[in-house]
Amino acid sequence: GAVVSQHPSWVICKSGTSVKIECRSLDFQATTMFWYRQFPKQSLMLMATSNEGSKATYEQGVEKDKFLINHASLTLSTLTVTSAHPEDSSFYICSARDPTSGSTDTQYFGPGTRLTVL
Amino acid sequence: AQSVAQPEDQVNVAEGNPLTVKCTYSVSGNPYLFWYVQYPNRGLQFLLKYITGDNLVKGSYGFEAEFNKSQTSFHLKKPSALVSDSALYFCAVREGSTGFQKLVFGTGTRLLVSP
Repeated sequence: GAVVSQHPSWVICKSGTSVKIECRSLDFQATTMFWYRQFPKQSLMLMATSNEGSKATYEQGVEKDKFLINHASLTLSTLTVTSAHPEDSSFYICSARDPTSGSTDTQYFGPGTRLTVL
Repeated sequence: AQSVAQPEDQVNVAEGNPLTVKCTYSVSGNPYLFWYVQYPNRGLQFLLKYITGDNLVKGSYGFEAEFNKSQTSFHLKKPSALVSDSALYFCAVREGSTGFQKLVFGTGTRLLVSP
């Protein structure tokens, strides 16, 4: 099946620094990738939709200048949390849409990145 | 707007017994329905989906789900639970119209299978 990887799997950073998280589709080309945020014991909240070669579409309430998304190739999307603060600590999960699934939009998820901001 | 409800925060079942994890949905058009499983500190793994056709959908690891249009439900089932099935299960829905429609997830149900 389709495989999506994320790197790093966990990261600890100081407040005020920026952190980049990578999401890769390993065995398929993903024109669309998604970034989610998951708080403890809560569901996934879609942050943004990343389309290859164009600007990301952010969900309401998500600061685009804080969560920078780049989708430079068909297999890689990056999320950069700029000037991170403790409230940005969370589990960030990406997913990629397998275009061979047609219109059914099956999404395949990465293993997640746990960000802790001190 | 579409929405998903998972009414149970946790489901407890003994190993070997059948299990059901409930999900109800609301969409304005035809639903595309999905079940995902999440193990601790891991991303979501796709289990199964309903798009059209037979109401009973079979998926990975022996799971199946039954689509019930009249009750707007898509409950996840397994005839015989395993301890290793213990995890967090998410139901998700999108409207089956043309073009991209985002997935909306339920709040998740924690399944605990006891030996």
